[in-house]
Amino acid sequence: DQQVKQNSPSLSVQEGRISILNCDYTNSMFDYFLWYKKYPAEGPTFLISISSIKDKNEDGRFTVFLNKSAKHLSLHIVPSQPGDSAVYFCAASAEKLIFGQGTELSVKP
Amino acid sequence: NAGVTQTPKFQVLKTGQSMTLQCAQDMNHEYMSWYRQDPGMGLRLIHYSVGAGITDQGEVPNGYNVSRSTTEDFPLRLLSAAPSQTSVYFCASSYNVLGGTDTQYFGPGTRLTVL
Repeated sequence: DQQVKQNSPSLSVQEGRISILNCDYTNSMFDYFLWYKKYPAEGPTFLISISSIKDKNEDGRFTVFLNKSAKHLSLHIVPSQPGDSAVYFCAASAEKLIFGQGTELSVKP
Repeated sequence: NAGVTQTPKFQVLKTGQSMTLQCAQDMNHEYMSWYRQDPGMGLRLIHYSVGAGITDQGEVPNGYNVSRSTTEDFPLRLLSAAPSQTSVYFCASSYNVLGGTDTQYFGPGTRLTVL
C-alpha cells in the first residue's frame, strides 16, 4: 500500500514557465514532508521541506505547499530552468522516511 | 568529509550468490537507511537503523539482512541473490530521521544486476 504517491511520472515545461509537481499521501501521522532532486547516476539531494504545521515554505525559486485536509502537497518551481531537469521525489517523515515514485521533469529551452 | 560512500558502484551476480553492499558515513549520523530504486516504484525503504546496534525493517526487507556494529558503517547483505533484486541501491544517513530540517544525505548508489 503506497503511503506517498506521485501520480505523474513525467512533466515537460518550457524554460521560464512554472513547473508544478504534485504528491498525495495517506498517513495523517506524517509530520514533515520533503522534496528531493535526483540527476542520473547520482544519489538524491535534498531540495526543500515543510512541517505539517505549516502550509507554505519558500526557498528562492522553489515553493512547497501543503494542504493537510486534502493530504496533498505540491512543489512549484518559478521560473523553470533547463538545469532543473531531473527526477523529483516527494517524501514523508514519521519515524522513517517514505518516498513517492518520482516525477521526471524536463525543462525545454 | 567524504559524506556517504558506497561500494561497489556496479556489481553483477548470478542467482543464488551472496554479497555485501558497503555503506559508510563520516558525519557521525545516528540514522542510516537503505533504499532500492526501481522504475515506476520510486525509492523503497529496505532497512534502517536509528543507532549502533539497532536496526529495523522498512517496506521491502525480504531477502536482505543488515547490521550496525558501528555508527559509521551500515552494510546490506544479500544472502541468496534473485533476479528480482536487480536494482539500484542507495544508502542514506542523517543526524535524526525526524524533522524536515534534518535532511538525509545519499550515497552515489550501487547498480546491481542479478542474472
